[in-house]
Amino acid sequence: DADVTQTPRNRITKTGKRIMLECSQTKGHDRMYWYRQDPGLGLQLIYYSFDVKDINKGEISDGYSVSRQAQAKFSLSLESAIPNQTALYFCATSDGPLSTDTQYFGPGTRLTVL
Amino acid sequence: KQEVTQIPAALSVPEGENLVLNCSFTDSAIYNLQWFRQDPGKGLTSLLLIQSSQREQTSGRLNASLDKSSGRSTLYIAASQPGDSATYLCAVRRNDYKLSFGAGTTVTVRA
Repeated sequence: DADVTQTPRNRITKTGKRIMLECSQTKGHDRMYWYRQDPGLGLQLIYYSFDVKDINKGEISDGYSVSRQAQAKFSLSLESAIPNQTALYFCATSDGPLSTDTQYFGPGTRLTVL
Repeated sequence: KQEVTQIPAALSVPEGENLVLNCSFTDSAIYNLQWFRQDPGKGLTSLLLIQSSQREQTSGRLNASLDKSSGRSTLYIAASQPGDSATYLCAVRRNDYKLSFGAGTTVTVRA
């Protein structure tokens, strides 16, 4: 089984709908991240969490919210989806000291907002 | 703000040729630099991590170099194979756990 799973893998929705993307991990890592990827651009950090009680905004948090339900679960919500939120969304986890910290990624969720 | 650039955006080579992928970054105060591979439908996989005190790292056919002072890293893949076809991304870490990513180089190895 994959260490980092994301559901759903694909989602098509309409403008104004509320959407939740879920991420679960079995790696036992404290740190979790949500990124979005747009064609021709690098991954951009939306939110990150260093433990269950720690939530931080990333570079592009406007229009998004998150919930860290447990060490293993980190959900991303779009309260009112808009077309420019169409993108590939990745969840990642990490652990270890700063100098050697490696992030482990889920398979991604492809979201289309019509 | 850290800017990470990867050139070229796409590369097509015949099987057996060596691959050279470039990454440049604007702020040399980094903790480490990582190279990732991205396959469609499978997310990103870490290939190599070079700490700021290191000049290079090797894993099998892969070798990555780091020149912090000039803000550059190069990923070499020797004797390319069709299975090496993927998008390769570099990412740099400054003084926290956040990564700054380049847009990637999409590699096609022709059989």
